[in-house]
Amino acid sequence: LAKTTQPISMDSYEGQEVNITCSHNNIATNDYITWYQQFPSQGPRFIIQGYKTKVTNEVASLFIPADRKSSTLSLPRVSLSDTAVYYCLVGGPNSWGKLQFGAGTQVVVTP
Amino acid sequence: DADVTQTPRNRITKTGKRIMLECSQTKGHDRMYWYRQDPGLGLQLIYYSFDVKDINKGEISDGYSVSRQAQAKFSLSLESAIPNQTALYFCATSDSGQVGQYNEQFFGPGTRLTVL
Repeated sequence: LAKTTQPISMDSYEGQEVNITCSHNNIATNDYITWYQQFPSQGPRFIIQGYKTKVTNEVASLFIPADRKSSTLSLPRVSLSDTAVYYCLVGGPNSWGKLQFGAGTQVVVTP
Repeated sequence: DADVTQTPRNRITKTGKRIMLECSQTKGHDRMYWYRQDPGLGLQLIYYSFDVKDINKGEISDGYSVSRQAQAKFSLSLESAIPNQTALYFCATSDSGQVGQYNEQFFGPGTRLTVL
């Protein structure tokens, strides 16, 4: 399983865009990048997944450069309710059941 | 009603006691998982089950055992609880889907376990 590195914490103000970069230098050819969000005292919730280039949904965008050694989760115009821990996971068909949640990035949004 | 439920939600027990945490799901998923989370840390996989007859150890299975009683039920047991098993425990489920396809995990609300 590819090891991931992401910042421990990030602070932002309401209305700003938050970008969280995850490094995964050892990503394998068939690995995908998946992000989860966890609010305090709740289980994680799937946000987005991608393989290459850009993926966008109603919650976030995921940017993956051509070498796929890193990825950036972008949260547009954050609100107080986006305060949470965000996890970057890397894995493929052989490891879907064993994806590892690292320590994640604590995002704190203030007024 | 919640799709993934865990009982109990909170439990305080003493060292050496046997504890069972239960998880039920109504999503019809084949796959179920147990994780533990320590304060300020990510989730660590304890056990996972891809179907009723398939149970696998995760990263930190020592001191834990599981039982998949039915497709919808997956229980985690601590045979002899110790203080460093104090943590937040999450159950999760996912669909098996097509080969190679990723299916997101759906998590329960968690069980906060304290071992004195």
